[in-house]
Amino acid sequence: KAGVTQTPRYLIKTRGQQVTLSCSPISGHRSVSWYQQTPGQGLQFLFEYFSETQRNKGNFPGRFSGRQFSNSRSEMNVSTLELGDSALYLCASSVGTAQSEKLFFGSGTQLSVL
Amino acid sequence: GENVEQHPSTLSVQEGDSAVIKCTYSDSASNYFPWYKQELGKGPQLIIDIRSNVGEKKDQRIAVTLNKTAKHFSLHITETQPEDSAVYFCAASTYDKVIFGPGTSLSVIP
Repeated sequence: KAGVTQTPRYLIKTRGQQVTLSCSPISGHRSVSWYQQTPGQGLQFLFEYFSETQRNKGNFPGRFSGRQFSNSRSEMNVSTLELGDSALYLCASSVGTAQSEKLFFGSGTQLSVL
Repeated sequence: GENVEQHPSTLSVQEGDSAVIKCTYSDSASNYFPWYKQELGKGPQLIIDIRSNVGEKKDQRIAVTLNKTAKHFSLHITETQPEDSAVYFCAASTYDKVIFGPGTSLSVIP
């Protein structure tokens, strides 16, 4: 069974631009969560989608948004990029809705904002 | 707000020795405690987990213990090998959210 796939693997953008990241969950998994990982802040929860609906949201500004499609694939968008948005963005999928479930992570998208 | 503390932040051990990583959580509603291992250039991978109705769980060289009263849980790795070198994250989950610890960088010296 294929794992969680995230594209692209690396991205370089400049301040003010916007970016879209993509995540394909494990087949059969209906929940997709997004995390931001930085050396200083660790793993920070962005949001979770289940059946095309945002179920939970972390403490990030409205510049960070996401969506989920009917095939469970998810995209995350960051508008008006800031230098501080440079991070590894991780997507994780799980079978059901509860956060108290095993998460399967992708390898992440490394975003650099110049 | 709720948080998870994790210690130590870095740990170096000789190959064959044991390694212990400790975590403390604040949300008493937490009922699921997974541990993830992250190797360089990869996403975190679940290595072991424990639920609140269990005090200890083992899987070969890895074990996790949970003390719900003290809100402590620990990861124990015995007979460490160089391939155990990675960053380890603990997490505490309720039905609605999961909070990760800041991570422990483990180095196993051959």
